[in-house]
Amino acid sequence: RKEVEQDPGPFNVPEGATVAFNCTYSNSASQSFFWYRQDCRKEPKLLMSVYSSGNEDGRFTAQLNRASQYISLLIRDSKLSDSATYLCVVNPGGSQGNLIFGKGTKLSVKP
Amino acid sequence: GAGVSQSPRYKVAKRGQDVALRCDPISGHVSLFWYQQALGQGPEFLTYFQNEAQLDKSGLPSDRFFAERPEGSVSTLKIQRTQQEDSAVYLCASSLVQVTGEFFGPGTRLTVL
Repeated sequence: RKEVEQDPGPFNVPEGATVAFNCTYSNSASQSFFWYRQDCRKEPKLLMSVYSSGNEDGRFTAQLNRASQYISLLIRDSKLSDSATYLCVVNPGGSQGNLIFGKGTKLSVKP
Repeated sequence: GAGVSQSPRYKVAKRGQDVALRCDPISGHVSLFWYQQALGQGPEFLTYFQNEAQLDKSGLPSDRFFAERPEGSVSTLKIQRTQQEDSAVYLCASSLVQVTGEFFGPGTRLTVL
């Protein structure tokens, strides 16, 4: 089982739609969680951190359920510019400094 | 600029050739990471430095891969005797504090023929 799993998609949605991505992680001791966005042939960019209390940044809402080891990202009122691959990312913590990435979920927003 | 920079952006190597990839992290960032991203996959961890100390190299796929950061700033990832399976984008990232996430450079796209 991969450490971070997410549906690869693609998710094809019309402009203005609400879309949700889910992710599960296997290491219950993981300490911090993120969503990154990656455009085609570009580097990943930090979209937002994810907190147990849930957090919102404009049209984006992230949720973390530690008991279920489940992370979600909700995008409201999708824009064409939201088209990208969304990477679910976990920091396992401890002596490791690295991040563990999911394979990414591809989103395509159509006019 | 103020971001992470990497060079070269593109590298084509013949099988068996040695390559060296450079990363300039954000000034003041003590943590530096190398990742390998194959087509259609998420980045996979290779190695991690805190200042000049290589604290974790568990992700390096073979002893052909070697990384260094001698003065705690610029880092070089070296791949000896490249193989076709080494073809990937090599991403460098740096961070001040791990919990805030990492900032990635644009990557070096390595193609081994």
